[in-house]
Amino acid sequence: KNEVEQSPQNLTAQEGEFITINCSYSVGISALHWLQQHPGGGIVSLFMLSSGKKKHGRLIATINIQEKHSSLHITASHPRDSAVYICAVNFGNEKLTFGTGTRLTIIP
Amino acid sequence: EAGVTQSPTHLIKTRGQQATLRCSPISGHTSVYWYQQALGLGLQFLLWYDEGEERNRGNFPPRFSGRQFPNYSSELNVNALELEDSALYLCASSRRWGSSGANVLTFGAGSRLTVL
Repeated sequence: KNEVEQSPQNLTAQEGEFITINCSYSVGISALHWLQQHPGGGIVSLFMLSSGKKKHGRLIATINIQEKHSSLHITASHPRDSAVYICAVNFGNEKLTFGTGTRLTIIP
Repeated sequence: EAGVTQSPTHLIKTRGQQATLRCSPISGHTSVYWYQQALGLGLQFLLWYDEGEERNRGNFPPRFSGRQFPNYSSELNVNALELEDSALYLCASSRRWGSSGANVLTFGAGSRLTVL
């Protein structure tokens, strides 16, 4: 069964802390996405990965194909990073399977 | 460049009515995806259109249908509305499946449907 699990479900941290959100999936994939959803629902695609590591500003995404695991890191976290972060996976087809999301709250 | 646009932003209907939601993809994108995000639940895949054809659908009843127009914009129709259809409906677009960059999705802001 194609499954995606995210952890933690909720994360509260102080401004400036290093944040890690994890995503594990059950079988081989063709691509993994990290999405950011702000209050009100708007979704932004942060990264699309099929191997290795990508960096954009303070955001870093890594994927380990052998371990079927990806992490999203945020360095020097800021209150504006507060959002729900969603991992989504292509299991070799066009449909995305979504994790349940991680609600991140950064306290000033 | 305009992003993915969805309309209406909010829609209130009563049980048994029909709702129509619209999505305009980014210029150059031919694939349109529809997702439902019900309160307290994660995103669920609804429908995928590519170059005017329905390519795949998620585990939703036939009350949920849609179409894609020649200009690649898309409609999602929900018939015989039920209370549990209240949700945020998100549209995303991408380049034609199989082409370079097809995995890169751009999401719209969503349409919030409330069924009373």
